[in-house]
Amino acid sequence: AQSVTQPDIHITVSEGASLELRCNYSYGATPYLFWYVQSPGQGLQLLLKYFSGDTLVQGIKGFEAEFKRSQSSFNLRKPSVHWSDAAEYFCAVVLKGTDKLIFGTGTRLQVFP
Amino acid sequence: EADIYQTPRYLVIGTGKKITLECSQTMGHDKMYWYQQDPGMELHLIHYSYGVNSTEKGDLSSESTVSRIRTEHFPLTLESARPSHTSQYLCASTPWSGGKGAEAFFGQGTRLTVV
Repeated sequence: AQSVTQPDIHITVSEGASLELRCNYSYGATPYLFWYVQSPGQGLQLLLKYFSGDTLVQGIKGFEAEFKRSQSSFNLRKPSVHWSDAAEYFCAVVLKGTDKLIFGTGTRLQVFP
Repeated sequence: EADIYQTPRYLVIGTGKKITLECSQTMGHDKMYWYQQDPGMELHLIHYSYGVNSTEKGDLSSESTVSRIRTEHFPLTLESARPSHTSQYLCASTPWSGGKGAEAFFGQGTRLTVV
């Protein structure tokens, strides 16, 4: 079935540690890929996006993501996590030729001092 | 900064009442969306619109209805609220991209509780 999968529902890291959040998609063609962050009680904010070209994309707040076609993945990374990064992170896709934004199930990130 | 607004932010209402959740954007975006967000975080697309007088149902069946009479306004209505409608509702908009994908801008959400 076509889907966006975030295998990790909940991740806990220490402040200063590195972070990787996983995202896999299952569609016939490579969709447009996005990562959004949702802080408590807030709407969603775009962190970064991949449409084409360089497979390593830089986003806001020190985040980056790497597109790997062979693995159908678009994992989000940050080398050193800050306490303010605690939030919910959503991977999302837009299928080419449509304008429907489809979300994964989300990963809740907790950061301990 | 995104210019998309949802009102109210919080709503507690009794079963059987009619409610309308408001969503307005000042960016001139053609496309607007409503998502329902479960307590466990997952977002489900329930309605979308490609422009004035255009409305479509999303991937998750919903008893709510929407209208798009003006570009900037995309209200969601529940004719008779039930406890099963308790959820957070997020509105979003995107500019026209010709199917190439574009950043979505989100409102802060309306948290609806039906008692």
